[in-house]
Amino acid sequence: VLTQSPGTLSLSPGERATLSCRASQSVSSSYLAWYQQKPGQAPRLLIYGASSRATGIPDRFSGSGSGTDFTLTISRLEPEDFAVYYCQQYDNSPEYTFGQGTKVEIK
Amino acid sequence: QVQLQESGPGLVKPSETLSLTCTVSGGSVTSTSYFWSWIRQPPGKGLEWIGYIYYSGSTNYNPSLKSRVTISVDTSKNQFSLKLSSVTAADTAVYYCARSHRYLYCMDVWGKGTSVTVSS
Repeated sequence: VLTQSPGTLSLSPGERATLSCRASQSVSSSYLAWYQQKPGQAPRLLIYGASSRATGIPDRFSGSGSGTDFTLTISRLEPEDFAVYYCQQYDNSPEYTFGQGTKVEIK
Repeated sequence: QVQLQESGPGLVKPSETLSLTCTVSGGSVTSTSYFWSWIRQPPGKGLEWIGYIYYSGSTNYNPSLKSRVTISVDTSKNQFSLKLSSVTAADTAVYYCARSHRYLYCMDVWGKGTSVTVSS
């Protein structure tokens, strides 16, 4: 089980966002990914392997963590960054599970 | 670049079978680096992985849906498909197809999604 916190993060453009994803059991860093989803759109892969940015993802997005605690950081929020963020782990049965999401909203 | 497009009925009656197809363009379902997944998202809720298929036909399903799910692949059409039987209102969701990278353990390309409502 992946638990994301907080449920909602209210911040202003230019501020730093720190999103948490906690696993109920230790997860290999290779198996942890982050996605961004905007209203009416499909999720977009941001981070894989806990800290590797996907193709075309700006460097203001960074991932870190190990074991059971992982973090997605957005260094300076741009207007287009306000969205819902999901973490995802690869495991056995089911092979892919998602956290419940963190909404980053404009304060 | 690779693009995925879901297609299928937007309305399904309770107890019937939901059938969706994902067409892959700009790439091949026979690529050995990928699985081909279905994921769904009920209105206002989070993401649930349904299952995936490899081009050889081998499958892996979410245990919570395994008894009702069948995923198949048609390499000649570069498509893969989802069938979900005995649907109820709880199966109402946006259904996404996605490419699952075998070695990066994530979904790196997604379709835009298709909304399916279960209602009589």
